[in-house]
Amino acid sequence: GQSLEQPSEVTAVEGAIVQINCTYQTSGFYGLSWYQQHDGGAPTFLSYNALDGLEETGRFSSFLSRSDSYGYLLLQELQMKDSASYFCAVSTDSSYKLIFGSGTRLLVRP
Amino acid sequence: GAVVSQHPSRVICKSGTSVKIECRSLDFQATTMFWYRQFPKQSLMLMATSNEGSKATYEQGVEKDKFLINHASLTLSTLTVTSAHPEDSSFYICSAGGAGTDTQYFGPGTRLTVL
Repeated sequence: GQSLEQPSEVTAVEGAIVQINCTYQTSGFYGLSWYQQHDGGAPTFLSYNALDGLEETGRFSSFLSRSDSYGYLLLQELQMKDSASYFCAVSTDSSYKLIFGSGTRLLVRP
Repeated sequence: GAVVSQHPSRVICKSGTSVKIECRSLDFQATTMFWYRQFPKQSLMLMATSNEGSKATYEQGVEKDKFLINHASLTLSTLTVTSAHPEDSSFYICSAGGAGTDTQYFGPGTRLTVL
């Protein structure tokens, strides 16, 4: 089968750094995407990694290691508004179809 | 970035009626569009994949006669929930991918309530 694993919940303090890990087992690999979803809203795109290494976009960075079938999302200088669910998703081919992880609920405390 | 719109954002209907939801890619040509539903506190569930000009491919367990999908142009896909029942109440979200995009971009979702 195809699966992605990520922690179900993470709690962190405002201003801190948090890392959300994602490991995957899929029949193929084309790229790893990260999405943020606030309660009641739709997912919004955060980042995409197709090659090994770190991609940085403002306070958010995403890392990929294809040999380890592993990636993570790093959130720096946490703000209260970062409290949301974060999903990793793998595309196994060029069709844009994604396999989603079950999501990590991040709670940022004052 | 790639922008996807969805309309309506919220709809309430009576049991037995049909509801149409539109999904549009605003700044790119969406060769592939996806329809998801999501129940509270759960992950996204893919319902179907549609490629422009082709019949949609439905995931196992999704009734294609109940959830009609049309993707007639590179910027528009529609989902029609036919003869809606209360158990169809959910959050329906579309997404799209196409030339110039690496992955899917999501619309803002449609919250359907069937009375």
